[in-house]
Amino acid sequence: NAGVTQTPKFQVLKTGQSMTLQCAQDMNHNSMYWYRQDPGMGLRLIYYSASEGTTDKGEVPNGYNVSRLNKREFSLRLESAAPSQTSVYFCASMTTGANSPLHFGNGTRLTVT
Amino acid sequence: DAKTTQPNSMESNEEEPVHLPCNHSTISGTDYIHWYRQLPSQGPEYVIHGLTSNVNNRMASLAIAEDRKSSTLILHRATLRDAAVYYCILRALQGSARQLTFGSGTQLTVLP
Repeated sequence: NAGVTQTPKFQVLKTGQSMTLQCAQDMNHNSMYWYRQDPGMGLRLIYYSASEGTTDKGEVPNGYNVSRLNKREFSLRLESAAPSQTSVYFCASMTTGANSPLHFGNGTRLTVT
Repeated sequence: DAKTTQPNSMESNEEEPVHLPCNHSTISGTDYIHWYRQLPSQGPEYVIHGLTSNVNNRMASLAIAEDRKSSTLILHRATLRDAAVYYCILRALQGSARQLTFGSGTQLTVLP
């Protein structure tokens, strides 16, 4: 059972470079989410997609863009990376229904120098 | 959004029960109490949730105070693999995960 798969696992960027973080889920979930987690802190929501074809901003969207490519895939793009975006990025998915749990991937650890 | 308060850290001895507390004094009548845990270098994983009654599953038990202003996650026999950060979260009945607020949680250390 793959669940939520994130690629890459690790990435180092120079300031100003761009990259796309990939996320795919095989559970036929409608909703998908991108979070960031800074050292010693909880998760903060960047963007989410309630269903295929829709995306909305979360708590900390500045500097990011997302694409819900299809029901399985939800990508996060950094157009011009900044050191403040050094973090661990988690993708999650969830089916509809009251109290259905979030399923998380194992994260992408991004360092921007 | 209603917030939760948890101790920053707790320690437990292996094979002993662990009681992880959570205060949520501003909880509304339709908020469910969810618990997730995050093992080192992994994403969070769902543990358990409840509304009013105590709940049990294969991972843990959830004890909810009668006034619902606090709850306790109970690990009946802690193992070294239970060392993780535990998050207590409130979720509205019809709310999406957009409304989930992950605080800094409780870091549980299990001593051999």
